Amino acid sequence: ELKVEQNPLFLSMQEGKNYTIYCNYSTTSDRLYWYRQDPGKSLESLFVLLSNGAVKQEGRLMASLDTKARLSTLHITAAVHDLSATYFCAVDRGGSEKLVFGKGTKLTVNP
Amino acid sequence: NAGVTQTPKFRILKIGQSMTLQCTQDMNHNYMYWYRQDPGMGLKLIYYSVGAGITDKGEVPNGYNVSRSTTEDFPLRLELAAPSQTSVYFCASSYSQTVQAFFGQGTRLTVV
Repeated sequence: ELKVEQNPLFLSMQEGKNYTIYCNYSTTSDRLYWYRQDPGKSLESLFVLLSNGAVKQEGRLMASLDTKARLSTLHITAAVHDLSATYFCAVDRGGSEKLVFGKGTKLTVNP
Repeated sequence: NAGVTQTPKFRILKIGQSMTLQCTQDMNHNYMYWYRQDPGMGLKLIYYSVGAGITDKGEVPNGYNVSRSTTEDFPLRLELAAPSQTSVYFCASSYSQTVQAFFGQGTRLTVV
């Protein structure tokens, strides 16, 4: 059974600081997705990582994938308040359409 | 562009009632999905479809049914509502497995 674990589940940080969210998964997969969800809102796709060593960046967020370690990271650089949201990673079951989501990391960026 | 449209946005059901959650996408996507999100949790896949006429079970299909008669529509049916089905339901679509999925705004369902 594929399990996806994110840590930390809650993260409070100050503006201007850097931090990393980790996503570990339990079985082989070549596809990993990061999503953002604002309170009471839907999910917004951030990154799709399709191969080992993939790195994608958008603004202050950078995601990477290490399929050998079964680990993805979402790095936040110089955080700003607008990044406050819950971030989810999701992994598919090796070629299937069945995505398994982590529990999410609730990020709060304080002034 | 409308993207993925879900109706209704909110609904309260009594135990044993039935209802259909509607989902429509206008992007001509082959892949469509239904997820549920319980408080403080990630999403769990209920059903998915890879094209018109093709559906398959996800992680938590019990108590639900789907159909995919057209590319655009993917309704989710609850036949006998139970309190355990109280959740927020999201419909999503994608062009393929390797690109981003677009999510609807969600349906908040309460079963009392």
